[in-house]
Amino acid sequence: EAQVTQNPRYLITVTGKKLTVTCSQNMNHEYMSWYRQDPGLGLRQIYYSMNVEVTDKGDVPEGYKVSRKEKRNFPLILESPSPNQTSLYFCASSSPQTGRYEQYFGPGTRLTVT
Amino acid sequence: QKEVEQNSGPLSVPEGAIASLNCTYSDRGSQSFFWYRQYSGKSPELIMFIYSNGDKEDGRFTAQLNKASQYVSLLIRDSQPSDSATYLCAVLNTGFQKLVFGTGTRLLVSP
Repeated sequence: EAQVTQNPRYLITVTGKKLTVTCSQNMNHEYMSWYRQDPGLGLRQIYYSMNVEVTDKGDVPEGYKVSRKEKRNFPLILESPSPNQTSLYFCASSSPQTGRYEQYFGPGTRLTVT
Repeated sequence: QKEVEQNSGPLSVPEGAIASLNCTYSDRGSQSFFWYRQYSGKSPELIMFIYSNGDKEDGRFTAQLNKASQYVSLLIRDSQPSDSATYLCAVLNTGFQKLVFGTGTRLLVSP
């Protein structure tokens, strides 16, 4: 089944404790992206990657890191989480090289930072 | 001005009616437009995409695009209570590098 997976789905952590949210897709998509969704603010892009080893900042990159060492994986790293990073996070992927710009989303990760 | 604007709603329609959801965008060079449905706490699910001016129909859904007016709409015919969700409009920016999302319109379909 073609899908985007994220882990963990739920995470409660404390300020300053480094964490990683994994994202993996099995559709051979070259484009991957991370979003956060907050009430009233909609989906905001954190980082995106056009292909392996190519990443760039989105609209709200502060406090986050990403890497793209393999085509299928795009982990999101919070090196020192703060309460304002409490949010619902989504990973998405697409295949612009094949002319398919629609993005498919993972199930989401609900993060709470206390 | 927001890049993609939607009325937050809620838009309330009775079961069986046509729901009309609207979206305007500011990037005149945008070429690709998408509608996603999102149930509370769930991930956005793609329901329609449209690249050319005019209408595109898929089952009960019709997407309408008017590039001159920078306007995209989604019509849902024979609305069902299961259509109650938030509908997100997304526009691919001119550089083809990111989707810009509206904040969504909440649709409520009453039995």
